[in-house]
Amino acid sequence: EVQLVESGGGLVQPAGSLRLSCAASGLTLSRYWMSWVRQAPGKGLEWVATVKEDGSERLYVDSVKGRFTISRDNAKNSLYLQMNSLRAEDTAVYYCARLGDPLWGQGTLVTVSS
Amino acid sequence: QAVLTQPSSLSASPGASASLTCTLRSGINVGTYRIYWYQQKPGSPPQYLLKYNSDSDKQQGSGVPSRFSGSKDASANAGILLISGLQSEDEADYYCMIWHNSAWVFGGGTKLTVL
Repeated sequence: EVQLVESGGGLVQPAGSLRLSCAASGLTLSRYWMSWVRQAPGKGLEWVATVKEDGSERLYVDSVKGRFTISRDNAKNSLYLQMNSLRAEDTAVYYCARLGDPLWGQGTLVTVSS
Repeated sequence: QAVLTQPSSLSASPGASASLTCTLRSGINVGTYRIYWYQQKPGSPPQYLLKYNSDSDKQQGSGVPSRFSGSKDASANAGILLISGLQSEDEADYYCMIWHNSAWVFGGGTKLTVL
């Protein structure tokens, strides 16, 4: 079965850090640009970041630039999102996704609160 | 002005058709974009429905019924998701998406009520 499975979410204090992981199975991640998308409670979808197949190009939404880093380990067939300097407004379900040829994970909840 | 604008809500009756619009900001020509459509129900991730660029460049998501179809209205500079033969299970949030200026952009979503 082709699937993406996120992990690493949880409760973190403001200004804290968290690292999300996305494990792929049934597909070779190295063939695709991969992305993170988030959805705040009761809100719409927001693209967060995208990384090229080989990791050589990374794109971010302005609100996370300098705080979040997207990366990948193709040998482990995995995608990551390192989130630093977290703010309350980063609270959301974070989805790992292949957007150009759509495939999404189930999401992992990140809550930033003291 | 947002890149993609969707009406926040739409209501339609069972068995009827619903046309959901995704309007591109002025200066961004719908003719040059492939538009993706997603359906999302509470507590679940978005489900891919289809992508549409033209009648010769379109794709239906795996298992998505043919009563979901895409098109464009060039005069309105908008992408359209048409749902025919509405069923109660179609009640959900619907999002459009494009690749624009090296970023994926989502519309704000339309809440479709079937009543």
